[in-house]
Amino acid sequence: EAGVAQSPRYKIIEKRQSVAFWCNPISGHATLYWYQQILGQGPKLLIQFQNNGVVDDSQLPKDRFSAERLKGVDSTLKIQPAKLEDSAVYLCASREWGPGELFFGEGSRLTVL
Amino acid sequence: GIQVEQSPPDLILQEGANSTLRCNFSDSVNNLQWFHQNPWGQLINLFYIPSGTKQNGRLSATTVATERYSLLYISSSQTTDSGVYFCAVEGMDSSYKLIFGSGTRLLVRP
Repeated sequence: EAGVAQSPRYKIIEKRQSVAFWCNPISGHATLYWYQQILGQGPKLLIQFQNNGVVDDSQLPKDRFSAERLKGVDSTLKIQPAKLEDSAVYLCASREWGPGELFFGEGSRLTVL
Repeated sequence: GIQVEQSPPDLILQEGANSTLRCNFSDSVNNLQWFHQNPWGQLINLFYIPSGTKQNGRLSATTVATERYSLLYISSSQTTDSGVYFCAVEGMDSSYKLIFGSGTRLLVRP
């Protein structure tokens, strides 16, 4: 069974530029999450989707971050404009509907210069 | 929201030694998972263990939900066990959100 796929793996941009990350969850997984992990810290939840609807985006900095999951499968996370403090690894995770084990992708490492 | 505390924050072992990592949480949970983050940053699932005891090779985990803690045991440690170990929990009122602790950074020396 294929795991959670993310791209790109690495991205370097200048501050004030924009960037987008893509995630393809495990087939059949209704719930999708984006986490931000700053160096030396645990992952922090940014947004949670159930199918194509947003369940929780309370920790998403909506002035610069946006995310969508239009057809309830793939998802994109966009940052515009980027700030230095957005340098982090962006992790996508998915699981089946309801409680249960969460599976993570390899992450997308962003460096903002 | 639910709070997750992991201890110790850092641990250095000699290869072959055993260790115990602890995760305390502040409320009742639906879900508790242990992850190993490898040097490339990927989170590897170790255990899905909201209660009870599980074993997988040299690793085992126990969650005592009534006392709000979980333990991860590593026996006969190897250099490849190095990395960061995270505990993550989902509170019963949390709408299926997994909240992470700050991790235990383990270094196993040859």
